[in-house]
Amino acid sequence: QTVVTQEPSFSVSPGGTVTLTCGLSSGSVSTTYYPSWYQQTPGQAPRTLIYSTNTRSSGVPDRFSGSILGNKAALTITGAQADDESDYYCLLYLGSGIVVFGGGTKLTVL
Amino acid sequence: EVQLVESGGGLVQPGGSLRLSCAASGFTFSNFAMSWVRQAPGKGLEWVSGISSSGLSTYYADSVQGRYTISRDNSKNTLFFQMNRLRAEDTAIYYCAKGFSGSGKRGIDYWGQGTLVTVSS
Repeated sequence: QTVVTQEPSFSVSPGGTVTLTCGLSSGSVSTTYYPSWYQQTPGQAPRTLIYSTNTRSSGVPDRFSGSILGNKAALTITGAQADDESDYYCLLYLGSGIVVFGGGTKLTVL
Repeated sequence: EVQLVESGGGLVQPGGSLRLSCAASGFTFSNFAMSWVRQAPGKGLEWVSGISSSGLSTYYADSVQGRYTISRDNSKNTLFFQMNRLRAEDTAIYYCAKGFSGSGKRGIDYWGQGTLVTVSS
């Protein structure tokens, strides 16, 4: 069974840049997996940030960007702010109508 | 404004059933795939089921295959989730989610606020 992998946790300084990644237990992530990214703060519904690898959802600031880096999908946050401290999830399309979330990355801004 | 409002959650005993509904507004419901995503207490997001815009194609995670059924009524802009043979590990917030297109492969565009399902005796 394919597992979608993410770093469990990451930290960044205010104003800094951080790149979170999303990989596969076997194989490489490409645009055909349509990677998307979501932000969630405690007690809230998720918010969509990026879809189809690198397209920002409506209202998402351009500090957030998506890409493919090597064999993984990546979410880069530039100029990190305190309210970027959240859980971040990626979602990959595995084919035959099935999508799978990664385990999530807890981002700390300090 | 897109709105997704879930209902039907609550407390149910193991082995019991529950039917969730999601009332959609603010977009042409029949043009978009829909999904159910759940989140167990303190855990991450888990996609559990999706349905194409027409309703003709349905998809399930292994964890719910054979126990849950997703459906939609495009005339009433409503998504449904019939959950049978519920287990303690099905306890979670269940989110209704709108896709970016007629198929769900591009991910999730909008999310409801979720409805809590608790399976306990």
